[in-house]
Amino acid sequence: KAGVTQTPRYLIKTRGQQVTLSCSPISGHRSVSWYQQTPGQGLQFLFEYFSETQRNKGNFPGRFSGRQFSNSRSEMNVSTLELGDSALYLCASNLGGPATNEKLFFGSGTQLSVL
Amino acid sequence: EDQVTQSPEALRLQEGESSSLNCSYTVSGLRGLFWYRQDPGKGPEFLFTLYSAGEEKEKERLKATLTKKESFLHITAPKPEDSATYLCAVNYGQNFVFGPGTRLSVLP
Repeated sequence: KAGVTQTPRYLIKTRGQQVTLSCSPISGHRSVSWYQQTPGQGLQFLFEYFSETQRNKGNFPGRFSGRQFSNSRSEMNVSTLELGDSALYLCASNLGGPATNEKLFFGSGTQLSVL
Repeated sequence: EDQVTQSPEALRLQEGESSSLNCSYTVSGLRGLFWYRQDPGKGPEFLFTLYSAGEEKEKERLKATLTKKESFLHITAPKPEDSATYLCAVNYGQNFVFGPGTRLSVLP
């Protein structure tokens, strides 16, 4: 069974640009969560999607947005990039989401560098 | 304020030198506590889930325990390949919150 797949693996952007990251969950998993990981802040929750609906959202500005498609694949978008957005962006999936108390399966992440 | 903390921030051990990592939480209504291992440049990999105080789980050289306010990850006779960052996470309500992690280095 294939794991969680994130693309691209690395991205380099400049301030003010926008970026779209992609995540394909494990087959059958309907919940996709996104996290931002930085050395100083650790893993910070961005948002969670289930059946194409955003169910939960972390404390991030509106520049961070996401969506989920009918096949459970998810994308997140960051507009007007800032230097502080440089981070490892991780996607995680499970069957029912955090409310079901199931473990999360993580992808390898997209390393975003903003210059 | 609900939060999850881990200590120590970093730990260096000699191969074979056993130790413990701590995860403390101040959340209401804990539903589960999770331990993950993360290698550099990779996503976290699941290790254990603990659901109630007094529960213990073991896997090879690792043993996780849970009390009402904290969890310990005991590493017995570690090897260099155990070097990684160990993260704990708590699930409460609709939230899945991670601690900052403990960076473990095991020297040969």
